[in-house]
Parts: sequence; C-alpha cells; structure tokens
Amino acid sequence: DQQVKQNSPSLSVQEGRISILNCDYTNSMFDYFLWYKKYPAEGPTFLISISSIKDKNEDGRFTVFLNKSAKHLSLHIVPSQPGDSAVYFCALGSQGNLIFGKGTKLSVKP
Amino acid sequence: DSGVTQTPKHLITATGQRVTLRCSPRSGDLSVYWYQQSLDQGLQFLIQYYNGEERAKGNILERFSAQQFPDLHSELNLSSLELGDSALYFCASSPVITYNEQFFGPGTRLTVL
Repeated sequence: DQQVKQNSPSLSVQEGRISILNCDYTNSMFDYFLWYKKYPAEGPTFLISISSIKDKNEDGRFTVFLNKSAKHLSLHIVPSQPGDSAVYFCALGSQGNLIFGKGTKLSVKP
Repeated sequence: DSGVTQTPKHLITATGQRVTLRCSPRSGDLSVYWYQQSLDQGLQFLIQYYNGEERAKGNILERFSAQQFPDLHSELNLSSLELGDSALYFCASSPVITYNEQFFGPGTRLTVL
C-alpha cells in the first residue's frame, strides 16, 4: 500500500498561470515534507521543504502548503514558466529517510 | 551540479550477469542512499549507509548488496541480473543521518538484455 500518493500523473498549465501539485499521505509519522524537481537525464534536485510544525513555506515563486489534519501537501508555482516543465516528486521524511511519491509531470505551455 | 557523482552513466549487460555501480557523495556528507527508479515508478528506497555502516534497508532484493568505504564512496552490487532490474539507479547523500534534504547524483541507467 502506497504511503505517499501523487494522484495526478500529469498537469498542463499556461505560462503565467498558477500550477498546483498535490500529494496525499497516510502515515502521521512524517516530520518533514519536501518537493523535488527532476528534468530528464538528471537526478532529482531539491526545491522546497516544510517541517511538520508549519503550514506554509514560501520561496520566491514556490509555496508549499501542509494540511496535517487532511494529510495533504501541495506545491504552488506562481507564475508558472516554461522552464518549470519537469517531473515533481513529493518526498516525506522521518529521521533522514525519505519516501517519494511517483511524481507529477508538469508541462508549462508558452 | 549537486556534487554527487555516479559512474558509469550507462550500463548495458545481459541477464545473469553482475554489475557494480559507484557513487561519490558530496564532500563532507557522511550518509549515502541508493534508490531505484523503474519505468513509471517513483523513487524506491533501497539502502542507506552512514559513515561506513548500514543504517536502513528498504525494498532491496537479496541479489543486491551495497557497501560504503572508508573514503565514504559507496558501491551498489547487482547480481544474477534479470530483465526487470533495468532501471535508473540514483545515489544521494546528506550531511548527517537526520538531515532530511538529500542531494542526488545524475543516476546510472542500467539496461539488462
């Protein structure tokens, strides 16, 4: 049974609009929540994170929201740019170990 | 560039063979993680080492083994290879065991024919 689910395998957004990527989890043991971005032929790169004691963290165009009661994590990208086109993985951490979702492929169209 | 290096970049081999994948962590990072990414799958955690010692095991097959050497580089050994072992294998590193952000290498693409 998957502990971490990204239910949308793909998402297409117009340049300049908001991209919202979602992640649901089942286990309350996680204390750290991260988003990674992956381009083809490269390893995942860290994007933004949030600890379990917060419900929002912002870094430029990227904002991560955590709803612990709903066990839901989301990433907002505003405004979306064509260079944001990549696969986005949520990763949930506990004591340094990460469990990844299967990823959502974001396509930002000019 | 994350600072994590992996060799080789590509590897093509036959069923039944054995291969070794190598990873050099970022300078100063003590913890090394191995992941497998199959087609349409997320990153599956295989195994973690910290300062030379195995610390956590995930979905790693018995045919697979790993080690971390005194200079902190790590090797993942895959034996009796099967077609289903074809995947991208990523290595990641982090400074200490409880640090949640991991830095990933570019991966090794293994193709088993």
